[in-house]
Amino acid sequence: AQRVTQPEKLLSVFKGAPVELKCNYSYSGSPELFWYVQYSRQRLQLLLRHISRESIKGFTADLNKGETSFHLKKPFAQEEDSAMYYCALSGTTSGTYKYIFGTGTRLKVLA
Amino acid sequence: SQTIHQWPATLVQPVGSPLSLECTVEGTSNPNLYWYRQAAGRGLQLLFYSVGIGQISSEVPQNLSASRPQDRQFILSSKKLLLSDSGFYLCAWSSGQGGNSPLHFGNGTRLTVT
Repeated sequence: AQRVTQPEKLLSVFKGAPVELKCNYSYSGSPELFWYVQYSRQRLQLLLRHISRESIKGFTADLNKGETSFHLKKPFAQEEDSAMYYCALSGTTSGTYKYIFGTGTRLKVLA
Repeated sequence: SQTIHQWPATLVQPVGSPLSLECTVEGTSNPNLYWYRQAAGRGLQLLFYSVGIGQISSEVPQNLSASRPQDRQFILSSKKLLLSDSGFYLCAWSSGQGGNSPLHFGNGTRLTVT
């Protein structure tokens, strides 16, 4: 079964400290992985996707197929990074892509 | 550019009343459309998705239904609301061009069933 697990509901770090938001997935094929972010009073939006291998707002995420993980990392947290973060995977069912989300991790960056 | 509109933003309805939430997409054609419910601590639960007009796939058995009367219109409905239908409902679209096409979300509707 397709599943995305984010073990931490809340993660608090101090400004300037490194951040790692954990994400593990279960999928029988080759999924596409994403991170979405929801800032206060804003809509849920794409942060980054693994296929792009990009760094957005200082965040990176590496797909580890052996550990079935897609952890989100940032070396130095900033207060504006405080938000709700969701890991998601995209997989096909009868040719249609469905997007499965984790339960989310709330990141609080303390001054 | 593509935009997605979802309304109303908030809705308070009594138990047993009907529901209709509407979502429209502009600036793209033949999008894949999705309805999710977002609950604190439970993430985003996929309710329905559609790959074309009149084509609806349901993910979970429940008191809700969805329809797609036009290419860029997606409607979430219920004939009789239950208290458990309260929640935050999100509409989203993707281009359907492949699994790495991201989802684009609307602002959501906060539904309170009293």
